[in-house]
Amino acid sequence: DAKTTQPPSMDCAEGRAANLPCNHSTISGNEYVYWYRQIHSQGPQYIIHGLKNNETNEMASLIITEDRKSSTLILPHATLRDTAVYYCIVRVGGGNQGGKLIFGQGTELSVKP
Amino acid sequence: GAVVSQHPSRVICKSGTSVKIECRSLDFQATTMFWYRQFPKQSLMLMATSNEGSKATYEQGVEKDKFLINHASLTLSTLTVTSAHPEDSSFYICSARDPGLGNEKLFFGSGTQLSVL
Repeated sequence: DAKTTQPPSMDCAEGRAANLPCNHSTISGNEYVYWYRQIHSQGPQYIIHGLKNNETNEMASLIITEDRKSSTLILPHATLRDTAVYYCIVRVGGGNQGGKLIFGQGTELSVKP
Repeated sequence: GAVVSQHPSRVICKSGTSVKIECRSLDFQATTMFWYRQFPKQSLMLMATSNEGSKATYEQGVEKDKFLINHASLTLSTLTVTSAHPEDSSFYICSARDPGLGNEKLFFGSGTQLSVL
């Protein structure tokens, strides 16, 4: 699976949009971009994933560049409860069992009042 | 979404004893589950892939005789840390996919904090 690069930490003001970047310059054509987050001392939580097109769900939006070498996770109105470590993961999708997820170091997002 | 239950949430044991951690898929059947460990201030490290009805697949550097994995049913996988030592103290997390949701999302348990004295 392709390697990802994320900034180690970011701050965001409560109520503002949080934009978390991820570089995956070696991504292959059949690899998806996944985002998970981990709140302290809990198991990771799925946020969103995409292949080529931008995606939006009730939690966030995922913007993938046209060349697919980078992406941005957007939390439109960050709250204090969004403080967590955010992981960007690239892997081959699909199949009967799906592929395993390999976590990088992630971005520690601190949402401040 | 699918629910993965992990038990116990916290365990303290003496050095040399064995500890069993359970991972259950509550509302779906999971033929494959994944076990991770996480040290403080570090990322999750994949330990092994648990396969129902067959042997687990261990990642490089993970001792299969130290970390015994059993996946005897479609809803239960167990991880046993044998002869635990203080260096095994860590946060252990299991995960599984719900085939009914397209196998794309990985659902995680709440984790088990193991402390070996």
